[in-house]
Parts: sequence; structure tokens; C-alpha cells
Amino acid sequence: GDSVTQMEGPVTLSEEAFLTINCTYTATGYPSLFWYVQYPGEGLQLLLKATKADDKGSNKGFEATYRKETTSFHLEKGSVQVSDSAVYFCALSDDHSSASKIIFGSGTRLSIRP
Amino acid sequence: DGGITQSPKYLFRKEGQNVTLSCEQNLNHDAMYWYRQDPGQGLRLIYYSQIVNDFQKGDIAEGYSVSREKKESFPLTVTSAQKNPTAFYLCASSIGPVNTGELFFGEGSRLTVL
Repeated sequence: GDSVTQMEGPVTLSEEAFLTINCTYTATGYPSLFWYVQYPGEGLQLLLKATKADDKGSNKGFEATYRKETTSFHLEKGSVQVSDSAVYFCALSDDHSSASKIIFGSGTRLSIRP
Repeated sequence: DGGITQSPKYLFRKEGQNVTLSCEQNLNHDAMYWYRQDPGQGLRLIYYSQIVNDFQKGDIAEGYSVSREKKESFPLTVTSAQKNPTAFYLCASSIGPVNTGELFFGEGSRLTVL
């Protein structure tokens, strides 16, 4: 079955450091890929998405490129801020009939030191 | 402001008791979902509903029940049959049956069994 594997956290960085959170996937079809973010005490919110190979999703300084050859969708940011501290979830969906088919990774907790 | 409201935010239950978690949305979304989040794990789908008066089991429906009598409301009952109910519960919605991958989440309800 389809699955998503994320790098384990927690990840701790200093402010203005470069961020990479790795995400790889297994899917039988041609999935759409997503990054969701969960700030402390809140629900998840969609950060960015990519629907086909070589697409780059971007939002709030974060980027991720859909790499079909490596089945990856790594999240990157050039200079993190304290306000980026949150849990980040990689997700996929290869069934456009229903959002019930979205599969989430286990989440990566990111902490940014001032 | 449109959004999803979950209540209560924190709930304590004695073993053997049923509890009901509320989820209300004013986004006019057709589909609603309940997820369970455990530490170090991704979100797991409990139940979902794509239209009023209809709902489907997700991956971990045993010990849970739902109803969808109104478009805006999708309450979840955690029954005494649920063996390990202590968890963080998230309600979500999406616009409709077409899967854009974007789920809108509430802030969650944390249930603790004493």
C-alpha cells in the first residue's frame, strides 16, 4: 500500500539556519504530495503541495520539489525563524475521488533557537 | 471568520464511559473527517462523511461512532469499547468529493482516560 516516511525528529536549529526535512513516499499511482504544518496548540494547515513530477510547491519561504525518480518531496527553507517551530507532516494522495485517501507521515517536530 | 470548532479542548473520562466530541464547521464544506493523532505517529482516519446522512469507516473505526444529521456538524462518540482512547482527536473538512488534498482542521480535542 501507499506510505510516507519522514525523517525522525526532533530537529533543533538556530535562527537563520538552513532547513531540510526529508520525506520519501511509496505509491502505486501518480500521487499528489503535500506538506502540512501544525503550530503549537493548533490543528494542521496545508503549507504547500505539488501535483505532478518536477512541480515545486512554495509558501512562506518553504519549498519542496516533487522528485519522481527518487520518490521524494523534501521540505526546505533557506533561513528559519523562531516562528517556524512546529510539527511538519508530509502527506500523499493518489486517489482524487476523496480526501479520505490522504496518507500522512508521522510528523517531524522542528524547534528553532533564538 | 469561517473555520472548524472542536469542543471540548480537553476531556477526562473514566474507564467504561462514553464521551462525545463536538465538531462544527461554517465553511459550507460537504465532507468532514475525524482523525486520531498519537505521539510519534501520523494521523489515522477514524470516520469520514462526504454528504449529510452518510458516513464511512476509516482505518481505525472500531470503538467509535459518528452521525451526520446536519452539514455543519459531525460529532464523534468514543465508546467504552475503544481499548486505548487516550489520544488527540482532530476534526477536518474539505470542500467536496473531488480531492484537492486540502483539508481544513480544527484545533483538536485531547482525551485522557483516567
